[in-house]
Amino acid sequence: GAVVSQHPSWVICKSGTSVKIECRSLDFQATTMFWYRQFPKQSLMLMATSNEGSKATYEQGVEKDKFLINHASLTLSTLTVTSAHPEDSSFYICSAKSRWETDTQYFGPGTRLTVL
Amino acid sequence: GNSVTQMEGPVTLSEEAFLTINCTYTATGYPSLFWYVQYPGECLQLLLKATKADDKGSNKGFEATYRKETTSFHLEKGSVQVSDSAVYFCALDQAGTALIFGKGTTLSVSS
Repeated sequence: GAVVSQHPSWVICKSGTSVKIECRSLDFQATTMFWYRQFPKQSLMLMATSNEGSKATYEQGVEKDKFLINHASLTLSTLTVTSAHPEDSSFYICSAKSRWETDTQYFGPGTRLTVL
Repeated sequence: GNSVTQMEGPVTLSEEAFLTINCTYTATGYPSLFWYVQYPGECLQLLLKATKADDKGSNKGFEATYRKETTSFHLEKGSVQVSDSAVYFCALDQAGTALIFGKGTTLSVSS
């Protein structure tokens, strides 16, 4: 099946630093990628939808300037948490849709972000 | 707006017991419906899906039928195994947009 990778898988950073998380589709072209956030014992909350070559569409309540999303190619999307604070600590998961299989999303393994 | 409601967990069963995890949805039109599973320490994986009313998705002994009249997509398995212990998420996808997830149901199966 289709594989999506994320890097890094775990990151710990000091408050005020920026953290970049990469999401790659390894064996397919992803026209659309999604970024989710998962709090402990809760479901996934969609943060934004990104289409290759265009600006991301953010969900209500998600700060665009805080969570910068770039989808520069058909296999890579990045999420940058700018000036991270402890309340940004969470599990960030990306998913990708292939242009050929538009009703199925393939998920990355997630990135655990801890901000001290 | 669109939403998914699934039964609260955790669900604790003995091996070979029958499993039902209820899922109902609210949506306009005709969404596609999914069950995703997250095994401990692993990514979310698609378990099964149904794209139109009365479709039955099935995989690994799990089944779910898209019931438009009751807006439901309950997950069932006739005989669970210890290896089925995981978190199960019901989700819907309308018009090719992002998935909307239920809160997840933790299943624990003991031998």
